Amino acid sequence: AQSVAQPEDQVNVAEGNPLTVKCTYSVSGNPYLFWYVQYPNRGLQFLLKYITGDNLVKGSYGFEAEFNKSQTSFHLKKPSALVSDSALYFCAVRDVVMDSNYQLIWGAGTKLIIKP
Amino acid sequence: DVKVTQSSRYLVKRTGEKVFLECVQDMDHENMFWYRQDPGLGLRLIYFSYDVKMKEKGDIPEGYSVSREKKERFSLILESASTNQTSMYLCASSLAQDRTQNIQYFGAGTRLSVL
Repeated sequence: AQSVAQPEDQVNVAEGNPLTVKCTYSVSGNPYLFWYVQYPNRGLQFLLKYITGDNLVKGSYGFEAEFNKSQTSFHLKKPSALVSDSALYFCAVRDVVMDSNYQLIWGAGTKLIIKP
Repeated sequence: DVKVTQSSRYLVKRTGEKVFLECVQDMDHENMFWYRQDPGLGLRLIYFSYDVKMKEKGDIPEGYSVSREKKERFSLILESASTNQTSMYLCASSLAQDRTQNIQYFGAGTRLSVL
């Protein structure tokens, strides 16, 4: 069965420190992987994606993510956290083999709190 | 920029009422989606539509219906609201030609409370 796991409900990081938000997935074939962010009282915004090619992908607001096929992971990272990065982060995957009519499978979300 | 507009940010309804949630997108996207977002459960797909008058059930369609009479508008209908439908509802759209990348654009959400 296809699934996405975000093992941490909440991640706390001090401003200026590096941050990592974890995501692992399970699909039948090759995955398309996405990160979205939801700021308070706002809709979800696309952050970055992995489709193919370089395993390290860069996205908006200085975020990047590394696709690791052997560990079936797609962790979100940023070298130096800002207080304004505090938000809810969602990982999502699409199974290319299943090709389920554009549907994405979503993780439960991780609340990122950056403390000054 | 893509704009997805949901007609209400907050709604309070009574059990048994028929509820309409409206969503409009301005980028001529073929695909539109309705999700509900609950803490710890992520986003769950209720229905999606890939063309006018076309719809497909998502993971949790029970108690909901949808209508897409025009390309830019996708409505979610709660036929008889129940307290377990209290949730945040998110509308999204995406471009059909963007099949491989599948980027979805979201509205700000409607927080529905059913009393």
